[in-house]
Amino acid sequence: DTGVSQNPRHKITKRGQNVTFRCDPISEHNRLYWYRQTLGQGPEFLTYFQNEAQLEKSRLLSDRFSAERPKGSFSTLEIQRTEQGDSAMYLCASSPPSLAGVDTDTQYFGPGTRLTVL
Amino acid sequence: AQKVTQAQTEISVVEKEDVTLDCVYETRDTTYYLFWYKQPPSGELVFLIRRNSFDEQNEISGRYSWNFQKSTSSFNFTITASQVVDSAVYFCALSETTSGTYKYIFGTGTRLKVLA
Repeated sequence: DTGVSQNPRHKITKRGQNVTFRCDPISEHNRLYWYRQTLGQGPEFLTYFQNEAQLEKSRLLSDRFSAERPKGSFSTLEIQRTEQGDSAMYLCASSPPSLAGVDTDTQYFGPGTRLTVL
Repeated sequence: AQKVTQAQTEISVVEKEDVTLDCVYETRDTTYYLFWYKQPPSGELVFLIRRNSFDEQNEISGRYSWNFQKSTSSFNFTITASQVVDSAVYFCALSETTSGTYKYIFGTGTRLKVLA
């Protein structure tokens, strides 16, 4: 059973460019989360999907950010017109559906995508 | 508001010493979950333990042990006989259950350096 994968692992871009990150959750995990982590801080919640539905978005997710999860499988996070303040590690996590005996609240994290905006 | 505080920014110990990482949380939920994750230099968050608010039993897993006390809203983590491989940033997290998303609120982390 493979874990959560994220691509690319690193992205360097110039200010004003658009970037897109991909997350592949653990198979059969219907819950998917995006977090952002800046240097010296803990991860901060960005958005949550249950299957293909985006059910919650943080105030941190400005209009330049958009996330999708077509067909309830992989997810993409796009940042338009990147700014230097967007430089961070973007983490994806998944967790299983609510079933008897399953801890649906435990999230399993991917390796992250480190974004550097020049 | 929900909050997790890890007051220790960085701790350095010599190998084989015991070390305790502190975590204090705030929540209005009666049902909640607490977690510890390890983040090695590679960056991936590794799950260590989950504890629900109704289970105050302490837990031991090898060299790791956790002390959960609702009376003081604390969920502390102790590593016994530390090893160099324990060097990492450790995060405590609170999962809020009210909205049903189970999103995490993380502390700012404690960087542990174990010196040989």
